[in-house]
Amino acid sequence: GNSVTQMEGPVTLSEEAFLTINCTYTATGYPSLFWYVQYPGEGLQLLLKATKADDKGSNKGFEATYRKETTSFHLEKGSVQVSDSAVYFCALSIQGAQKLVFGQGTRLTINP
Amino acid sequence: EAGVVQSPRYKIIEKKQPVAFWCNPISGHNTLYWYRQNLGQGPELLIRYENEEAVDDSQLPKDRFSAERLKGVDSTLKIQPAELGDSAVYLCASSLEARVQYFGPGTRLTVL
Repeated sequence: GNSVTQMEGPVTLSEEAFLTINCTYTATGYPSLFWYVQYPGEGLQLLLKATKADDKGSNKGFEATYRKETTSFHLEKGSVQVSDSAVYFCALSIQGAQKLVFGQGTRLTINP
Repeated sequence: EAGVVQSPRYKIIEKKQPVAFWCNPISGHNTLYWYRQNLGQGPELLIRYENEEAVDDSQLPKDRFSAERLKGVDSTLKIQPAELGDSAVYLCASSLEARVQYFGPGTRLTVL
C-alpha cells in the first residue's frame, strides 16, 4: 500500500539554525510528493510539491528534492525563524492530487 | 479570493448525540474532500466528491457517518450517533480538476 513515514517530533531549534525534517514513502506507481504546513489554529497549507523524480520543490526558503532511489522527500531550510513554528506534514498522492496520504506530522518549535 | 470555509469551528457534544459539519469550498472547485485528523496524526480521507457525486467513500464508516453535496457546491458531513472515538478535527478541502488541495481550518469535535 501507500504510506508516508516522517521524522518523530517534536523538534526544537534556535532561530537561524539549519532544519531537516526527514520523510520517506512507500508507493505503488509514481507518486507526487507534498509538504503541507499547519500553523496554530489554521488549516493545512501547501508549502511545496514535486511531481517527478529529481524535481526540487521550494517556497519561503524551504526546499525538498524528490529522491526516487531512496524514496525520500526531506524538508530543509537553511535558517529558520520563530514564525516557522508549526506542524509539518509530508504527503503523497497517486493519480494527481486526488487522494492524499499523509505522514503523522512533525511539530517544529523555533526559540528566539 | 475566499478560502475553504467550515463551520462550526468547535463542537462539544455528548455521546449518542448527532452532529453536523458544514463546508463551503473555493468558488469553482469541483472536487471536495472530507478528512478526519486524530490527535497527533495526519489527516485521513473519509470521502471525495466530484461535483455532486461521491466517487471515493471507502473510508467512510457508513453505519454512523453520512455526507451530501447538494448542487455540487456546499457539503455537509453528519455523524449519528456520535461515539467517544469520533473526537477529532474534521477537515474539508477542495481542488480544481484534481489539482492542489486547499484546506479549510477544520471543525474540532469533542465527544464527552
